[in-house]
Parts: sequence; C-alpha cells; structure tokens
Amino acid sequence: DVKVTQSSRYLVKRTGEKVFLECVQDMDHENMFWYRQDPGLGLRLIYFSYDVKMKEKGDIPEGYSVSREKKERFSLILESASTNQTSMYLCASSLGPKTQYFGPGTRLLVL
Amino acid sequence: SQQGEEDPQALSIQEGENATMNCSYKTSINNLQWYRQNSGRGLVHLILIRSNEREKHSGRLRVTLDTSKKSSSLLITASRAADTASYFCATDSGSARQLTFGSGTQLTVLP
Repeated sequence: DVKVTQSSRYLVKRTGEKVFLECVQDMDHENMFWYRQDPGLGLRLIYFSYDVKMKEKGDIPEGYSVSREKKERFSLILESASTNQTSMYLCASSLGPKTQYFGPGTRLLVL
Repeated sequence: SQQGEEDPQALSIQEGENATMNCSYKTSINNLQWYRQNSGRGLVHLILIRSNEREKHSGRLRVTLDTSKKSSSLLITASRAADTASYFCATDSGSARQLTFGSGTQLTVLP
C-alpha cells in the first residue's frame, strides 16, 4: 500500500512566522502535489513537482514556496504566514496523471 | 482552476437507499476519477473511468461517463452510514500531470 505521511496533523502559528509542512511518500512516485482545501472552494493546487529539484506553480502559488531535494520528500514553505493561509493542507503523490494518493492532511491555524 | 462541478452540493439519504452524484467538466479529458474524503482526512481514490469508457463498476459503485455532455455520475447502491463523506470528481487532460478537482458533494447517510 502506498503511504503518504505529513509531518503534522494540526499546527498553530503566528502571523509572520515561517512555516514548513513536510510530506513523505514511500512508493518512489515521481509526482508530488500540495493542495489547500477551504470550505466551498474544493481543492486548489498550490505547487507540484514531477522530479527532484523540479517544481511547477499550480493555481494559487502566491505566498508559498516548495522544495524537493529528495524524490520521496516534498516540502511546502510559507515564508511569512498570514491569517488567510489558515486552511487544510493536503499532500499527494502519483506515478502518472492518474491516481493520486493523499496524506491525512495538516490543519493549519495562523493567529 | 476548478474544472469539475459536482451536483448536488449536499445530499442526505436513508441507509439502504441509492445515492447519485453528478459531475460536469469543461474541457476534453483523458480520464475521470472519483475520490472520497472522510471528515478531516485525506482523499481516497475510488474509481477511474477512461474517456473511451461509458460505464464502470466496482463493488457498490457504478460510474458513468458521457463525453458528449461532459458529465459523469457516481451511483452508490445500498448506502450505509459509513458511506457518509464528501465525494469529488477529478479529471486529467492533454499531457498534464496534475488533476483538476471539482468542488465536491457532501453525502450524509442516515441510519
């Protein structure tokens, strides 16, 4: 079974803090994704990566950056957290453009 | 960008009844998938239907695809309280590696 893990289930940060969300997958998937999910807005793609050190902007990259130094790990970075980044963050991985495997999510609250 | 629109946004039925959810999309697709999300958790892949397929079954799930109408439906037969979750459709198009998710249908199955 594919396993995608996220570093925290719940996180509380202060405005202006730098926040790191980590995602690790154990199935040698080439593609990894970061989404945020907000009520009524569904899943919105922030960034994705199709190879080590490669990244592509999704639909809402502003205020975020990513890092993929190893194939199994994809990090989402909030350079200076703001209250409008309070959300559920979901990481996923896939082999191709088909089935994505999701982590359990990180619920981030920015105060 | 949101390609898929689910309908209805929310659905409440009694245990044992069938649940039907619909998804419409805007552009030509390669595949359409359905995912399920339990409250506060990550998404789980349910079923994939290719653009050249019209119907697919998996256990109590039946998916149809009408590419002329750019729409799909997910039928859950003999629903159970444990089917209570949000259901999302997701499409991939062209050579894109990423999926585009709909806004989801919240299904509540009452015991």
